[in-house]
Amino acid sequence: GDSVTQMEGPVTLSEEAFLTINCTYTATGYPSLFWYVQYPGEGLQLLLKATKADDKGSNKGFEATYRKETTSFHLEKGSVQVSDSAVYFCAYGSSNTGKLIFGQGTTLQVKP
Amino acid sequence: DAGVIQSPRHEVTEMGQEVTLRCKPISGHDYLFWYRQTMMRGLELLIYFNNNVPIDDSGMPEDRFSAKMPNASFSTLKIQPSEPRDSAVYFCASSLAGLETQYFGPGTRLLVL
Repeated sequence: GDSVTQMEGPVTLSEEAFLTINCTYTATGYPSLFWYVQYPGEGLQLLLKATKADDKGSNKGFEATYRKETTSFHLEKGSVQVSDSAVYFCAYGSSNTGKLIFGQGTTLQVKP
Repeated sequence: DAGVIQSPRHEVTEMGQEVTLRCKPISGHDYLFWYRQTMMRGLELLIYFNNNVPIDDSGMPEDRFSAKMPNASFSTLKIQPSEPRDSAVYFCASSLAGLETQYFGPGTRLLVL
């Protein structure tokens, strides 16, 4: 069935380190792919998205490339900041169910 | 533009009481979603509406939960009677289309004692 798998957290990095959060999905067709971010005490907000294969979504220094051959949408950032500490959710639009399927979330903690 | 509005932001109640959570979606959005978030179970979709009609309520945990959308600008999620295991953060989200970007409200933090 439809599912999204994210790397287990928490991920702890020092400021200015390189970040990768892995995300893979099982889906038919060509779903839109999303990364959402949730800061402490807030709702989820869209970080970036990609709508077709090989598209690269980017925002606030974060990037993710839609890889259909590996059904992946890994999130990367070259230099993280303390303010990036949050929970990150990968998601895709499931044509089977008509709704977004979210991963379990990955907590990122950035230390000064 | 105003985003998704939820009220109350915090709710503390005693077991057995009725709880009503409210949501105002972004104007023009045809889809509305109710989610629940807990440490144990993560983010769960409870129910969603399209043009005020419930489409999928398979995530509603039991009959104590009910949701309505009487018009395009208002929805409620009701728990009656509430139980301590209902304690969670409840989010409302809206979108232009079912598989497109969802915009989340700030959530209602519910504590049932």
